[in-house]
Amino acid sequence: QVQLVESGGGVVQPGRSLRLSCAASGFIFSDYALHWVRQAPGKGLEWVTFISYDGKRQQYADSVKGRFTISRDDSKNALYLQMNSLTTEDTAAYYCVRETKHDNYWPLEYWGQGTLVTVSS
Amino acid sequence: QSVLTQPPSVSGAPGQRVTISCTGSSSNIGAGYDVHWYQQLPGTAPKLLIYGNTNRPSGVPDRFSGSKSGTSASLAITGLQAEDESDYYCQSYDSSLDGWVFGGGTKLTVL
Repeated sequence: QVQLVESGGGVVQPGRSLRLSCAASGFIFSDYALHWVRQAPGKGLEWVTFISYDGKRQQYADSVKGRFTISRDDSKNALYLQMNSLTTEDTAAYYCVRETKHDNYWPLEYWGQGTLVTVSS
Repeated sequence: QSVLTQPPSVSGAPGQRVTISCTGSSSNIGAGYDVHWYQQLPGTAPKLLIYGNTNRPSGVPDRFSGSKSGTSASLAITGLQAEDESDYYCQSYDSSLDGWVFGGGTKLTVL
């Protein structure tokens, strides 16, 4: 079955960097586009970034553009999120999410359990 | 301020029907981008509930249904059950923002 397991979260000071990882299994990793979606404590879902199945296309929310970088390593079935210049506004649970093709639609079907990033001095 | 607007909360008694609205604009729902709905139980990751505006993934009860018209979409839940108490989110794509967007979420309380 499809599994997405995030890691790398923790407490980090404002201005510092952190790298999240997502280990995928149960599917052909290189066939699928992936996203990071975050959720601040007690708040709603916020889409963060997308990477295409072949890694050639990335898209970012304005709130993270220029600070966060998404990447993938198909040889390791892994997705990454490099987060630089972190602020307290980045405090959230970060979910690794896989699209699935249903008919002609591409909803966000598979979600990891999330990894918590806390930005605090 | 979310790009897609949902009511913060809705409620209903067991057995009743409730609807959750998701209002967008001409750059997202009104532009023809599809709407998907997710259910998030407390302390868990979101689960896909409705895809492509009206379709249910296998395993989702037919008590859940979706619709879309103009710049808005709706999720309807009939025959409310206690286990439906959850947060619900709509999601689409926005061409102006060049990215995926979520509604602010709606907390459903079963009275």
